This record gives sequence, structure tokens and C-alpha cells, in this order.
Amino acid sequence: ETGVTQTPRHLVMGMTNKKSLKCEQHLGHNAMYWYKQSAKKPLELMFVYNFKEQTENNSVPSRFSPECPNSSHLFLHLHTLQPEDSALYLCASSQEVNSPLHFGNGTRLTVT
Amino acid sequence: GQSLEQPSEVTAVEGAIVQINCTYQTSGFYGLSWYQQHDGGAPTFLSYNGLDGLEETGRFSSFLSRSDSYGYLLLQELQMKDSASYFCAVRDRGQGGKLIFGQGTELSVKP
Repeated sequence: ETGVTQTPRHLVMGMTNKKSLKCEQHLGHNAMYWYKQSAKKPLELMFVYNFKEQTENNSVPSRFSPECPNSSHLFLHLHTLQPEDSALYLCASSQEVNSPLHFGNGTRLTVT
Repeated sequence: GQSLEQPSEVTAVEGAIVQINCTYQTSGFYGLSWYQQHDGGAPTFLSYNGLDGLEETGRFSSFLSRSDSYGYLLLQELQMKDSASYFCAVRDRGQGGKLIFGQGTELSVKP
């Protein structure tokens, strides 16, 4: 139990599909993040939300659309993805933006 | 810009000591963190160094030298369960303090 729960654990989708990744944190943290982890590459920060407000969009293509309805939930809406988007998508939370991150187990996404 | 360099792989035997180095370049520096990630699992926070010197947490220690833009993670009395990837990460003041990760070091502990 990491305190940060991500669903689904695995997702296979076609390039024309629309799907959403869900993240929920039970730690009372104020900041939430989406990271992308591809093989042999560093974790790449995608989005940051602080007190439900998006504070960072790290030049992410518009086919990825985040949503943060409250400080405990974070979504990543996916549409018309490309095969190179296949990766592990990790959600994280922290007490404040400069605090250590608590990660979920990630969603392993495969785009066919 | 910013970059972090750490070895891609390290192998050691049970009971040994291993040091994983990390050098960094940032346009401003808040601190150096270390995370552990087992295969298929979530990265977990290990340590943070904001000032020069050694921080010890059980079998793990982390060191920082800001003048050398260098740090390391020291793992003592290695156990098989320590086999994992270890990431150094820096907060870059020039990028709004966001956390930038290195590529990770895969540690294999052999019997």
C-alpha cells in the first residue's frame, strides 16, 4: 500500500481510442504529478497540480489532457495516442511542491 | 539546461558495500534526492541532501558536495532485496524547483 493508488495497472489501446488513467492519494497531500517512464530514459515530468491548480505543463502534446477535480484525485485523459506513447505512467503526490514524492505503482500503457 | 549523470549498472555481492555516484548540472540548485524502484514497482523516496555532508538512514547513506556538483548513495551490508534501480534527482531553481531525475542505476546484488 503506497498511499497513492493508480488504475488501471495495465492498459492496451488503439490509436483511435479514448481512455483515462486515474490516480487517488490518501495522504492528504496538496500537490499531485504525472510522470512518464520509458525504457532506458529518465522519468519525465508531464504535469504538476498544486491545490488543484495546474502549475506545470512540461510541453506535453495535447493528446494528453490532465484533470484534477480535487486535491485527492488526478486523471490523465488520453486520445489519439501514438505507439511511442507506450510507457509506464506514474502518478505522484507530495505534501508541498518541494517535498519528497510518493509514487503510485503506475499504469503500463501499450498503444497499438 | 540541466543534466544528471549516474552509472547505468552496478553489480555487487551480498554483504558488500556499493557506492552509486551522481553528478549534476543545474541553473540553480535546491537539493539532491535519491529514489529506489524495484522492477514493476513504484519509485520510493530514500533520502534528501540540501546541504553538504553525509546523511545516514540505517544501511543507506547519502552524500552531497555542492562545490563539486556531486553526490552519492552508499549502500552497506547489501541484501538481495536491494536489487533495484536507484535514481538521483535534483530540484532545479531555474526550472521553478521541479524535480529532475537521472536515468537510474540498476543495482544487481549477487549471492
